[in-house]
Amino acid sequence: NAGVTQTPKFQVLKTGQSMTLQCAQDMNHNSMYWYRQDPGMGLRLIYYSASEGTTDKGEVPNGYNVSRLNKREFSLRLESAAPSQTSVYFCASGDRGYKDEAFFGQGTRLTVV
Amino acid sequence: QQQVKQSPQSLIVQKGGISIINCAYENTAFDYFPWYQQFPGKGPALLIAIRPDVSEKKEGRFTISFNKSAKQFSLHIMDSQPGDSATYFCAASSKGGSEKLVFGKGTKLTVNP
Repeated sequence: NAGVTQTPKFQVLKTGQSMTLQCAQDMNHNSMYWYRQDPGMGLRLIYYSASEGTTDKGEVPNGYNVSRLNKREFSLRLESAAPSQTSVYFCASGDRGYKDEAFFGQGTRLTVV
Repeated sequence: QQQVKQSPQSLIVQKGGISIINCAYENTAFDYFPWYQQFPGKGPALLIAIRPDVSEKKEGRFTISFNKSAKQFSLHIMDSQPGDSATYFCAASSKGGSEKLVFGKGTKLTVNP
């Protein structure tokens, strides 16, 4: 059981380039999330999707777009990468239940030069 | 404006000692308070969580203490072990579950043998 799978694991971009971070979950969760983690900043929510076909902004959405392709997949797109977007990106999924756990992927380490 | 304030930033404890990490929040709409544990190179994983209807929750060596009137909650790790060395994040949500979690900045715990 893979859980939450993110690709790629590492990426270096030049300023102005675009890329899409992929995320897939195999736990049949309705909700999926994208967070970024910066040193000393904790995790900050970029976008989330409460169910297939819906997306909503989180705390730091500027410079990003998302697509909930189907129930399994939730992608994050950087249209024109900036050095300020250098970060570790985590995808997570979860559902309401007795434990209400958000399951995180292994992360994508992105460097924008 | 940081919604969840976590302290200390780092903590060094001897094996067998008690580790205590504190968090404070302002938003009285928060109704779900989880703690996540993160090892280097991995995504965060749920450790333990509490809802405001109880003042304490214990799971093995890990205890959350919750003070609703003071808007504070803390994680206690009893009999700390070197394997507990990790970064710990408190979080809060106003959705009753893992949706739209707001994270603290994290505490790096080192347990010396």
